Amino acid sequence: DVKVTQSSRYLVKRTGEKVFLECVQDMDHENMFWYRQDPGLGLRLIYFSYDVKMKEKGDIPEGYSVSREKKERFSLILESASTNQTSMYLCASSLIWIRGTIQEIANTGELFFGEGSRLTVL
Amino acid sequence: AQSVSQHNHHVILSEAASLELGCNYSYGGTVNLFWYVQYPGQHLQLLLKYFSGDPLVKGIKGFEAEFIKSKFSFNLRKPSVQWSDTAEYFCAVKKGPSGTYKYIFGTGTRLKVLA
Repeated sequence: DVKVTQSSRYLVKRTGEKVFLECVQDMDHENMFWYRQDPGLGLRLIYFSYDVKMKEKGDIPEGYSVSREKKERFSLILESASTNQTSMYLCASSLIWIRGTIQEIANTGELFFGEGSRLTVL
Repeated sequence: AQSVSQHNHHVILSEAASLELGCNYSYGGTVNLFWYVQYPGQHLQLLLKYFSGDPLVKGIKGFEAEFIKSKFSFNLRKPSVQWSDTAEYFCAVKKGPSGTYKYIFGTGTRLKVLA
């Protein structure tokens, strides 16, 4: 089974602190994603990465950065945490999907999620 | 703006009632569609997906969904719900060029099934 592991289930930080959220997947997936989940807003994409050292902004990248130094690890960084960043953060991974190739046939397109990291910023 | 809309935010049903959760998207072109479920205290997991072919897709635990291209809809259905179906359900669209796609999720529907 694919396993996506997020290092911290619960964190409490103070405004202005630097926060690192770590995510590791064990299935050699190329694509990795960071979402935040808020009641009534669903899941919103912060950043994603389709290869080592590559990153793309999602819909709400402001106040966040990411790092992908190794294929299996994707880190989310809050340079200076603020109270409006209190949320549940979800990491996910997926196989790469390229139209017209064997990967398209083999790939279910499924996202595999971690358990989530609940961050509270005081 | 392009989006994924789920019309029902909270749904309460009795066991054995039928379920239909609405999902509409506003993206043009080819899309792949998904329903994910999050049971209380658990991580999100795939319920079913549509890529191509038969627009009526079947997933796990008796769920099914119908893709209606003309209506930009992908509604989730189950003929008879159980108490264990209590969960939050998310519709999602996979969109983007080959290799660098992203998933856009709806706001979710919380389903509570009364025993």
